[in-house]
Amino acid sequence: QQPVQSPQAVILREGEDAVINCSSSKALYSVHWYRQKHGEAPVFLMILLKGGEQKGHEKISASFNEKKQQSSLYLTASQLSYSGTYFCGTEPPRDGPIYGGATNKLIFGTGTLLAVQP
Amino acid sequence: AAGVIQSPRHLIKEKRETATLKCYPIPRHDTVYWYQQGPGQDPQFLISFYEKMQSDKGSIPDRFSAQQFSDYHSELNMSSLELGDSALYFCASSSRDTFSYEQYFGPGTRLTVT
Repeated sequence: QQPVQSPQAVILREGEDAVINCSSSKALYSVHWYRQKHGEAPVFLMILLKGGEQKGHEKISASFNEKKQQSSLYLTASQLSYSGTYFCGTEPPRDGPIYGGATNKLIFGTGTLLAVQP
Repeated sequence: AAGVIQSPRHLIKEKRETATLKCYPIPRHDTVYWYQQGPGQDPQFLISFYEKMQSDKGSIPDRFSAQQFSDYHSELNMSSLELGDSALYFCASSSRDTFSYEQYFGPGTRLTVT
């Protein structure tokens, strides 16, 4: 049930690009992307909603393929500050009867460790 | 901008003791979530509250309980602590006004059970 991320780890030089994939075996309503540095809180990057558009800002963008239940995070011209563990958080379809059908809870993926070197 | 506040930041307890973790959501956020993250693991959803009522439940042990108060802060009560409860406990908050429900995480409470 836990989404699988690939690759598990990646090492980049500053300025290189990377793609992180998140694949779920279950239908999804939304995918959230977070970056977490060791011992710190996950930091929200972006959310992609079912039926929504590809999102991004500057050098970090993401896509969501609802049919394949997959999402990808694109990091371009990586910086040292991009280092950390990236998690996708998946939200199942909002078909519950409680509070408008929102399920809210996130099921986090297996994580991708990204190290950017000078 | 104001962020989620958690207290305490670090807590050391012995087996079979009890612990209470507190979470103060971002102002005007109405939903609170609790997650547990073991070493090298991904965050695991425990429980969430919306407008002081439990809205979803995950892998929360029966020894744990939680509630959300009228000022929207939340407390996670943990009893009969076990060594395996040692972890980072994160609280996150969101607002239903945004519809997309982005969750913003607090700095976490590191619980060590000895």
